[in-house]
Amino acid sequence: NAGVTQTPKFRILKIGQSMTLQCAQDMNHNYMYWYRQDPGMGLKLIYYSVGAGITDKGEVPNGYNVSRSTTEDFPLRLELAAPSQTSVYFCASSFPSGSSYNEQFFGPGTRLTVL
Amino acid sequence: AQSVSQHNHHVILSEAASLELGCNYSYGGTVNLFWYVQYPGQHLQLLLKYFSGDPLVKGIKGFEAEFIKSKFSFNLRKPSVQWSDTAEYFCAVTSPSGYALNFGKGTSLLVTP
Repeated sequence: NAGVTQTPKFRILKIGQSMTLQCAQDMNHNYMYWYRQDPGMGLKLIYYSVGAGITDKGEVPNGYNVSRSTTEDFPLRLELAAPSQTSVYFCASSFPSGSSYNEQFFGPGTRLTVL
Repeated sequence: AQSVSQHNHHVILSEAASLELGCNYSYGGTVNLFWYVQYPGQHLQLLLKYFSGDPLVKGIKGFEAEFIKSKFSFNLRKPSVQWSDTAEYFCAVTSPSGYALNFGKGTSLLVTP
């Protein structure tokens, strides 16, 4: 299994540009998550999904959108990039909560810089 | 709302020193607790987890953590650190019915030769 994969690894955007961060998992996990990691701030949840066609906002959703058309993929969309979105973005997945397997598995991250 | 506090933001130790990183959470119900590690330039990896049972949990690479319910704590320990333990360590908590992890701000550990 490849686990959780993310592309691209690095990206520089100009203010106002848009882009999609890709995330895929091959573990048949129902739950998927997007976090951003800022220095000294830990990880903050942006959006999550409990299954195909179902998404919901996390703690810091403004400026982002997601979709979940398949179990495997959970892309994150930035519509109008702003310097405040400079961060490292991590995608994660897990089995449904309520079981003993809600351990989350993380992807390698995408480092995004907005100038 | 749940919150997670990690008391030490930066720790510097010499090789073979003992390590203890503090983690406290604010949530009165049943929780699942995790320690993740992030080596330089890499993604988060699970060190250990607590769901139920024995409150002393052993993880990978010689790490262990003790869940003390009365103190809302889940401190990470290692008897003798190595240079390769240099990394950032994150404590996280979620309830069994929760959807996501609440992370602490992380502790940056530097182990010097």
